This record gives sequence, C-alpha cells and structure tokens, in this order.
Amino acid sequence: DVKVTQSSRYLVKRTGEKVFLECVQDMDHENMFWYRQDPGLGLRLIYFSYDVKMKEKGDIPEGYSVSREKKERFSLILESASTNQTSMYLCASRIQVPSYGYTFGSGTRLTVV
Amino acid sequence: GIQVEQSPPDLILQEGANSTLRCNFSDSVNNLQWFHQNPWGQLINLFYIPSGTKQNGRLSATTVATERYSLLYISSSQTTDSGVYFCAVARYDYKLSFGAGTTVTVRA
Repeated sequence: DVKVTQSSRYLVKRTGEKVFLECVQDMDHENMFWYRQDPGLGLRLIYFSYDVKMKEKGDIPEGYSVSREKKERFSLILESASTNQTSMYLCASRIQVPSYGYTFGSGTRLTVV
Repeated sequence: GIQVEQSPPDLILQEGANSTLRCNFSDSVNNLQWFHQNPWGQLINLFYIPSGTKQNGRLSATTVATERYSLLYISSSQTTDSGVYFCAVARYDYKLSFGAGTTVTVRA
C-alpha cells in the first residue's frame, strides 16, 4: 500500500524553538506539498516542491521554510515557532499529472506553547 | 486567489438518505478536486473533475465549469460517509485553494 508518512502525530514545542516536520513518501512522486489546516479555513498551501531541490511558496509561506534534498523526503521548518503556528500540518504527494490524485499523510498536530 | 464557497457547512443525515453538497468558485479553473476527511483526520481524494460528470460507487460529482460550481452527490448514505468533504480548485494545476468544507454526520 502506497504511503505518505509524517514523522509525528502530535508535537508540543516552545515559542522560539526551531521545529522540523518530516514527510516521506514511497511512491516515487515528483510533487510534494505542505498544508496547514485550521477550523473554518480549510487547508492552506504553505510550500510546494515539484521536484528534488525545487520549491515554490504557497499562499502562507511566512515563518516557514522547506527542504527537499531527496525525492522521497520533504521537510517543513519553522525557524522560530510562534503560538499562531499551532495547527494541523498535512503533507501530500502526487505524480506530476493534474488528473492524478493526491495522497495525504495522516497529519501532525503541532502545539506551540 | 480564487474564492471557494461550500454549502451547507453542516449536514446531518439518516443512514440510507441521499444528499447534495455544493461548491461555488469565483474564477475559471483547470483543476477541481473533491476530498473526504474521515473523523480520524485522514484525507482521501475522491474525484478529479474540472468539468463533466463522474461516478464512483455511491458517490458522483458534476462540475459545470461555465457556471463555476460543482456538486457532490452521496446516495444511500452510510455511517462511514461521515466526515468533512472539501472542494479544492486551481487556475493553474497544482496550487489548490480549498473551501472550508461540509461536515457530514450520518446517523444509524
């Protein structure tokens, strides 16, 4: 069964900490995405990577950065965590064909205190 | 960005009932997807449907691109259909804009 795996289901961090959220896919997909999900707002795109070492900003990149050194791994970095970054973070991947479906990870619920 | 409005925000169904969820969007798109998020948070892609009609079991979807809306039909609903249904659109392929979702509760 194909999978997108996020390293942590729940995470609690302190304000100002540097936080790494890891996502690994085993499907050889070119495209990978990081979203955050907040009640009433749906999902919002933070960053997108269309291939190794390639990245593009999404709608809300402020306060975040990403790294994709290998095709299967896409990391989201919170340089200095703040309480307004408390959220559910979802990683997704797909092959670079518009009609192909997205495969999502199960999410990381991050709480910044 | 493209605005996406989903209605109704909440829907409570008796098992076996049929329902229609609506997605309105503010601009022309070449990518429209429907997703289901189960009560445990897992998101599943249901349809890629920028235009036309598709069916998958008890679910079907129709998009009328010229009028900027899409409909998701659930027939003979089951408790496993509970969760949040999201519509997401993009003008240029990958940069999906999500609606706020419709929360569906199916009661046995």
